[in-house]
This record gives sequence, structure tokens and C-alpha cells, in this order.
Amino acid sequence: NAGVTQTPKFQVLKTGQSMTLQCAQDMNHEYMSWYRQDPGMGLRLIHYSVGAGITDQGEVPNGYNVSRSTTEDFPLRLLSAAPSQTSVYFCASSYEPLNSPLHFGNGTRLTVT
Amino acid sequence: DQQVKQNSPSLSVQEGRISILNCDYTNSMFDYFLWYKKYPAEGPTFLISISSIKDKNEDGRFTVFLNKSAKHLSLHIVPSQPGDSAVYFCAASAHSGTASKLTFGTGTRLQVTL
Repeated sequence: NAGVTQTPKFQVLKTGQSMTLQCAQDMNHEYMSWYRQDPGMGLRLIHYSVGAGITDQGEVPNGYNVSRSTTEDFPLRLLSAAPSQTSVYFCASSYEPLNSPLHFGNGTRLTVT
Repeated sequence: DQQVKQNSPSLSVQEGRISILNCDYTNSMFDYFLWYKKYPAEGPTFLISISSIKDKNEDGRFTVFLNKSAKHLSLHIVPSQPGDSAVYFCAASAHSGTASKLTFGTGTRLQVTL
């Protein structure tokens, strides 16, 4: 029972490079989201999706793109990495978007130099 | 503007005693509250939740209390065990159309000592 799988676990980028953080879930959850965790800031919502083909912005969307072509996958793209994007990124999913606990992946630790 | 606040960054409790973790919120539209537990190098895991129509929810050693008038909730763990040592996040959400967007607090690191 894999749950929510994030890859890679660690990544170092230079400023200006691009990359995609992968997220996949095998629970047939409609709702998926991306959070970033920074010291003293808690977890902040970047983007979310309520189903395939539907995405929307969260609290801190700038510098990130997402797409949801399938129910299972919700990749997060950094088009031009900046040091301010150094963070731990968590993907999460839930059965429904309202009042349903989120299931989190184990995170991707990203460092931008 | 931090809508969900956990004012105690850390808490140390002896094994067997009660741990009380506190959370305050400012948005009166929040109507669903959750607690998550996080171990190092892992993602947060759901612990317990409470709807705004209740003032208490209990699950084994864990109880969450909600005081709507004070916009305050607390998580009680009794008895505390060493395996409870983790970071605890309080989260809240407001009904907003078809999407739910959780707002998280900054976390409280609980250490349960022997």
C-alpha cells in the first residue's frame, strides 16, 4: 500500500534551473495539493487540484506550475529556481476536498544555490 | 498574517503525564480543525479532527477540545509516551465552494522524556 509517493527525496539546483517534483497516489483520491514547509512558517499551500484537469492556486503559487492530467499524478514544476524556493515540499491527497484528512507524502527537500 | 497560531514552539513532558498542545485561530469562518503529527524525514500524518458543531472529540489517548468563543483548540495526550515525541501541527479549514484549503499552524515540538 504505497499511498502518496514523492520523488526525488532530495534535490540541489542552481538558480535559474528548472525541475519537476513528482507526486503520485494510488488511493483514487480526487483532491491533491502541494505544500511547502519553512522554519517558523508551518505548511503553506502552493497549488491544489479537485480532480483531473482542474487546478487552482493556493497561498504561495508564484514561481510554480502544476497540471493534473490523471487522477493519480500531480507534478509540481519550478520553471526558474530561486534561492527563496529552498524548502521542503509535501504533496498530499484526500478522498474529497471538504472535511477529509490529508494523506501526505514523505517530502522532497530542495536546495537552490 | 498568521490565521492559525501555535505559540509554543516546544514542550517537554514526562512519560505518563498529560501533554497539552494549544492552538489559536483568528478566522471565524473556520469550521473544521485537525491535528497532524510529524516525525523527522516523514510527512505529517493525521491524528484527530473536530467539527465546529462539537466541542470535544476523543480517540484513545488523544482528545481535542474546541472553544469557539475563544477561537482556541487544544490537544490532550494522556498518558504521554516516548513515541509521541514529534512535531504537532494544528490545521483549520473553512467551507469554500468545492475546495478545501487547510491553513496550518507553525507546529509545536513535543518531547516526552523517560
